[in-house]
Amino acid sequence: QSALTQPASVSGSPGQSITIPCTGTSSDIGGYNYVSWYQQHPGKTPQLIISDVTHRPSGVSNRFSGSKSGNTASLTISELQAEDEADYYCSSYTASTALVFGGGTKLTVL
Amino acid sequence: EVQLVESGGGFVQPGRSLRLSCAASGFIFDDYAIHWVRQGPGKGLEWVSGISWNSGSARYADSVRGRFTISRDNAKNSLYLQMNNLRAEDTALYYCVKDLYRGETGTFHMWGQGTVVTVSS
Repeated sequence: QSALTQPASVSGSPGQSITIPCTGTSSDIGGYNYVSWYQQHPGKTPQLIISDVTHRPSGVSNRFSGSKSGNTASLTISELQAEDEADYYCSSYTASTALVFGGGTKLTVL
Repeated sequence: EVQLVESGGGFVQPGRSLRLSCAASGFIFDDYAIHWVRQGPGKGLEWVSGISWNSGSARYADSVRGRFTISRDNAKNSLYLQMNNLRAEDTALYYCVKDLYRGETGTFHMWGQGTVVTVSS
């Protein structure tokens, strides 16, 4: 199975907004709404920040939002803060027997 | 409080076997699918295997299918991963992860702290 495609890195200044795309196919992102996003700080356990494309779990800042168009899902972080610097991963349900993650995107807050 | 505590990791030679366990508490275990997700040193997340709430369905990554077997014991609130014929590329931190749903949707809701598996001669 192929991993979902994410940019290796993105950057932004405090207060700005950034968007991380996650591209798949019609057999995963395009075909289902089980698309999720995770934040992982160095040395820490990943944390679910978006589920079901757009849903934000309790306790997650409303500066994080998710969307989907066709075979591409996106995570947008608004009003960027230093604490947002982390690795971000997308995942999706797939039509095959497997589940899949994106390769991860390192966010740098300048 | 949801807790997932992994155990059973260690150092093993290529071709040998290892069995990981995950003890769950703080939620109704048999209401949710559970997964194993791994992360190699300096690498990204890789889904390994998942099992539905009642063991009716189990899924595997291509990289482990035929070598790894996932199982659960709802009476003991426990998840297992039998790993046979281990390879160097199986070296990773293995996380036990609760799904948000009964089926293996791949919505990785709550994560344990992980157990380290090192495969080397």
